[in-house]
Amino acid sequence: DIQMTQSPSTLSASVGDRVTITCRASQSIGSWLAWYQQKPGKAPKLLIYKASSLESGVPSRFSGSGSGTEFTLTISGLQPDDFAAYYCQQYTNYTYSFGQGTKLEIK
Amino acid sequence: QVQLVQSGAEVKKPGSTVKVSCKASGGTFRSYAIKWVRQAPGQGLEWMGDFIPLFGTANYPQKFQGRVTITADESTSTAYMELSSLRSEDTAVYYCARGGGALDNWGQGTLVTVSS
Repeated sequence: DIQMTQSPSTLSASVGDRVTITCRASQSIGSWLAWYQQKPGKAPKLLIYKASSLESGVPSRFSGSGSGTEFTLTISGLQPDDFAAYYCQQYTNYTYSFGQGTKLEIK
Repeated sequence: QVQLVQSGAEVKKPGSTVKVSCKASGGTFRSYAIKWVRQAPGQGLEWMGDFIPLFGTANYPQKFQGRVTITADESTSTAYMELSSLRSEDTAVYYCARGGGALDNWGQGTLVTVSS
């Protein structure tokens, strides 16, 4: 099984900050990585797919990069609506696994 | 725009079985895999399996093999997830989601509570 490890688990930041969340895979997954945002009581929302492709309708302040085993999600210019949990997910060889999540809190 | 609407909350006894439905509207039902993902209270996301209507095949991770069954009824554009031998650790919100890899449409979630 491919294990996904996110860091940090919790991140405190202020409106306007630039933040980065890292996701590491236990083995190479190419670019088969997605990022999701989840707010309390709601289903996850797809932000990024194929490591760096922005889902339609998602603000351009969200960006993704990486390949192989190391990936990042960057939010440039945090907005109040961005404080939420973020998850990475790999999808290779008909298996799917998520990182444990990063909670983005207001400082 | 594809919309996935799930069945309502359930309370089940340990050892029993729960069946959650996920009805799709908009889009072509058979073209996309439907995945089931669960989230225990305060925890992360866990893939439970998926079903590809086009091929009529299901795929499960080893952890859930033998305990989960995912099916679909194309005539009603509805997918189902059945989980048996329920235990307290299965208390979670269960989501259906559409996508072959990245999941671009999600149901609203169904809370399943397992309690004696």
